[in-house]
Amino acid sequence: LAKTTQPISMDSYEGQEVNITCSHNNIATNDYITWYQQFPSQGPRFIIQGYKTKVTNEVASLFIPADRKSSTLSLPRVSLSDTAVYYCLVGPILTGGGNKLTFGTGTQLKVEL
Amino acid sequence: GAVVSQHPSRVICKSGTSVKIECRSLDFQATTMFWYRQFPKKSLMLMATSNEGSKATYEQGVEKDKFLINHASLTLSTLTVTSAHPEDSSFYICSASLGAGETQYFGPGTRLLVL
Repeated sequence: LAKTTQPISMDSYEGQEVNITCSHNNIATNDYITWYQQFPSQGPRFIIQGYKTKVTNEVASLFIPADRKSSTLSLPRVSLSDTAVYYCLVGPILTGGGNKLTFGTGTQLKVEL
Repeated sequence: GAVVSQHPSRVICKSGTSVKIECRSLDFQATTMFWYRQFPKKSLMLMATSNEGSKATYEQGVEKDKFLINHASLTLSTLTVTSAHPEDSSFYICSASLGAGETQYFGPGTRLLVL
């Protein structure tokens, strides 16, 4: 699986938009990009997955440039409850499914009032 | 999304005893489940891949005789920590997916403390 690099931590205030960028220079043609959120003492929760361009769902957007060597998770108008660790994972089209996931260090997002 | 449960949520045991952790896919069948371990302020580390009806595949460095995995049905996988020691204290998390190409869903985790 392609190695990913994320900032170790980020701080923000409530109501702001937060963008977390992940670098994955060695991404392969059949790799997808997946983001998970994890709260303390809980299992990771799937946020969003994409292959190229832009993907949006009810909680986040995922921006992927044409070269796919990076991706940006965008959280609109964060609240205190968004304080968590965010993991970027890159893997084959079956990321999830029957393929094992390799977690990096993740980004600790702290949202303050 | 699909729901994965784990039981117990927390367990405290004495050194030398064995502890069984259950992982269930509540509303779907999972041919493959995964077991992870997470130490405080660290990332998840994959321990093994659990395959229904066959032997688990362990990651390098994980002792298969210490961490016994059984996947007897399409909705249940168990992890047994045998002869637990304090260094086995950790957060154990399982995951499962609906199938090929589907998202992996994680259980809530089990906190193990070995005294």
